[in-house]
Amino acid sequence: SQQGEEDPQALSIQEGENATMNCSYKTSINNLQWYRQNSGRGLVHLILIRSNEREKHSGRLRVTLDTSKKSSSLLITASRAADTASYFCATDGRETSGSRLTFGEGTQLTVNP
Amino acid sequence: DAGITQSPRHKVTETGTPVTLRCHQTENHRYMYWYRQDPGHGLRLIHYSYGVKDTDKGEVSDGYSVSRSKTEDFLLTLESATSSQTSVYFCAINSGRALEQYFGPGTRLTVT
Repeated sequence: SQQGEEDPQALSIQEGENATMNCSYKTSINNLQWYRQNSGRGLVHLILIRSNEREKHSGRLRVTLDTSKKSSSLLITASRAADTASYFCATDGRETSGSRLTFGEGTQLTVNP
Repeated sequence: DAGITQSPRHKVTETGTPVTLRCHQTENHRYMYWYRQDPGHGLRLIHYSYGVKDTDKGEVSDGYSVSRSKTEDFLLTLESATSSQTSVYFCAINSGRALEQYFGPGTRLTVT
């Protein structure tokens, strides 16, 4: 099964609202990353949180990590229509080598104007 | 797309034919990866490379082979394409110093 699993699978909100996406994983990690994918495009790295960090901010993004629960959340504040995309978490496991990442299935976010 | 190109961008081929997808980078990054993306499965790693002529298998490597004869090129070959290999294929790179990966634009492959 997937190392990272996002929840919800799809999320639809109004512009200006906050969007929260969750990710759960199964094994010990070095870090957890979030990526965004616009329709028909490649993934773009958003933010990385290391296993010894609990919270990280970047602009309108806030990521939390709870290693005891093996879960992370991505919060996008004051969402915009341009935030409409799929969001994926990816884990860099301690058991893997070569900077390999394991991706979840993604959350499809739709921000309605 | 961080100096990564993929070719072709779209391809339709018949079952049983060989297919080679190319990933080219201008960043001189050490690590290169091939993923496939399918509905309900997210991205799954096929093969990756940690240097010229150094490659290893990912989680869905059956039916695929790779080669890396130069730092800038990473080739993915389907020896005999099957309909189950219809997918969108992404190449990614990583310098080995930073932790994030940079993705190419993808190749949409349809096997009929």
